[in-house]
Amino acid sequence: GEDVEQSLFLSVREGDSSVINCTYTDSSSTYLYWYKQEPGAGLQLLTYIFSNMDMKQDQRLTVLLNKKDKHLSLRIADTQTGDSAIYFCAETSASGYNKLIFGAGTRLAVHP
Amino acid sequence: KAGVTQTPRYLIKTRGQQVTLSCSPISGHRSVSWYQQTPGQGLQFLFEYFSETQRNKGNFPGRFSGRQFSNSRSEMNVSTLELGDSALYLCASSLAGESYNEQFFGPGTRLTVL
Repeated sequence: GEDVEQSLFLSVREGDSSVINCTYTDSSSTYLYWYKQEPGAGLQLLTYIFSNMDMKQDQRLTVLLNKKDKHLSLRIADTQTGDSAIYFCAETSASGYNKLIFGAGTRLAVHP
Repeated sequence: KAGVTQTPRYLIKTRGQQVTLSCSPISGHRSVSWYQQTPGQGLQFLFEYFSETQRNKGNFPGRFSGRQFSNSRSEMNVSTLELGDSALYLCASSLAGESYNEQFFGPGTRLTVL
């Protein structure tokens, strides 16, 4: 079956690194994504990783993929108050690239 | 380039009524997907339309339907509304979908069923 799990809440101090974790079940997933949702807004794609990659870095964001354990993580360096939001992990469904299976979302709270 | 637009942004209906939501994709995008977001169930895929044809479908009852027009604009309809249909409905557009194409999400339509 297709399922994505995430921890629900993370609190960090401004300037520290944040690490948000996700596990998925479908080993055939081609792409894995991280989306950000701010209050009252839609979803913003932060980054994605192809399933044959182990790591991807994009400015302050680092994505690590452990295919053996089906574990995905998002590291945000130098976390700022503007990073406070809900972060969703998602995988592509086996039935289509545009059908995404989302986790429940991790609420990141950044405090001074 | 204008983003994905959804109308209306907010809607209040009563049980038993029906509702139609609209999504205008980014110019040139041919795929439109719909998602339902609720506190209890999270983000769930409803369906995807590509070139006026439903290409993929989630696990929702037949009360949920959609369509896509020749200009790629899409509508979704929910008939016989139930309290549990209260949710944020998000649509996303992408170029095609045969391989990776970024999906751009609209701001959503918040539906409240009383």
